[in-house]
Amino acid sequence: QKEVEQNSGPLSVPEGAIASLNCTYSDRGSQSFFWYRQYSGKSPELIMFIYSNGDKEDGRFTAQLNKASQYVSLLIRDSQPSDSATYLCAVRLEAGNMLTFGGGTRLMVKP
Amino acid sequence: GAGVSQSPSNKVTEKGKDVELRCDPISGHTALYWYRQRLGQGLEFLIYFQGNSAPDKSGLPSDRFSAERTGESVSTLTIQRTQQEDSAVYLCASSLGAAYYEQYFGPGTRLTVT
Repeated sequence: QKEVEQNSGPLSVPEGAIASLNCTYSDRGSQSFFWYRQYSGKSPELIMFIYSNGDKEDGRFTAQLNKASQYVSLLIRDSQPSDSATYLCAVRLEAGNMLTFGGGTRLMVKP
Repeated sequence: GAGVSQSPSNKVTEKGKDVELRCDPISGHTALYWYRQRLGQGLEFLIYFQGNSAPDKSGLPSDRFSAERTGESVSTLTIQRTQQEDSAVYLCASSLGAAYYEQYFGPGTRLTVT
């Protein structure tokens, strides 16, 4: 079983819609959770991080964390074609410093 | 300010040769990480440096892989006797400190072993 799992996609949504990206993790010791966006051929860039159960909003992005269900999600409101990219979920254990990444979900926003 | 830089951006090498990849972290960042990303895959952790502490080498896939860092500056990742399965993008990241700090990624080095 992979430690961090994501649906590889592609997830296709029309422009202006809400894109919902999901991630599950296996280690209950995971303490912090990150969403990175990676455009094709580019390095990952951090979108959001979340530590506590509940929702965290930043502009069009909302991260949701449910530690009991070991589930973290990213919602993108008013999706734009420029949001088309691969979204990587990453988790960090309490005692560790490295990030464990999922395989990423490819998002396609169609005009 | 300057971000994380890596060199070379691309490297093609023959199977069996040694390669050295370089990472320059953001000035003042004490933590430095190396990750590997195979085509269409997520990132795999390789090694982590924090200040002058002993590095966390738990992600290195074999003894052909090694890395060094002098103080809080440049790091080099060396792959000896390269194999075709080593072909990947090697990404370096740095952060202000250990836990709870954002990791900033460099542009990566694309390694192709022929």
